[in-house]
Amino acid sequence: QVQLQESGPGLVKPSETLSLSCTVSGGSISSYYWSWIRQPAGKGLEWIGHIYTSGSTNYNPSLKSRVTMSADTSKNQFSLNLSSVTAADTAVYYCARREDYFYAFDIWGQGTMVTVSS
Amino acid sequence: QSVLTQPPSASGTPGQRVTISCSGSSSNIGSNTVNWYQQLPGTAPKLLIYRNNQRPSGVPDRFSGSKSGTSASLAISGLQSADEADYYCAAWDDSLNGHWVFGGGTKLTVL
Repeated sequence: QVQLQESGPGLVKPSETLSLSCTVSGGSISSYYWSWIRQPAGKGLEWIGHIYTSGSTNYNPSLKSRVTMSADTSKNQFSLNLSSVTAADTAVYYCARREDYFYAFDIWGQGTMVTVSS
Repeated sequence: QSVLTQPPSASGTPGQRVTISCSGSSSNIGSNTVNWYQQLPGTAPKLLIYRNNQRPSGVPDRFSGSKSGTSASLAISGLQSADEADYYCAAWDDSLNGHWVFGGGTKLTVL
């Protein structure tokens, strides 16, 4: 079965760029939308954006100026870059698959905690 | 401030039926289907209801969803202690080039 695994630094300094990757195992990355979703401690879920394997992207309007996503089909991975981070970007970051039939996020990674601090 | 509005908390006793509401607008719930996610403490969210009222394989039929206009609701019947979790609604929003929006989440307590 398809599984997702986030990876990346757990600590990022303010004003720097947060970079995470999500590795897809048990299935192909092709022909799906892949999202990043985050959750600050004790708070709700916030969609960051998604990428289709063709390279097409949509980003949350509130984060659009700082977000870049990419996908590498040869590695079955997709990535998130969030620039100019502040303490407000401290959160658990999840990667998730949007399945066309469900039109919903049907598979999620376990999440990775990222803290922004000097 | 979340785009979709949910009550912050809900509660019920074992065996009871509880409902959680989710209110949106014409650009999200009014135009698109609603999904519901269950998040148990310390875990990633899990898809509970998709396309307003459909259950993925493995989700008990105690969980049901509905949508009317710009609002949706999740109902849980035969409440169990294992249902104690946070519940989130979500929908695609057609504004600003399109993006997913979530409700703020409802913490369900089984008394």
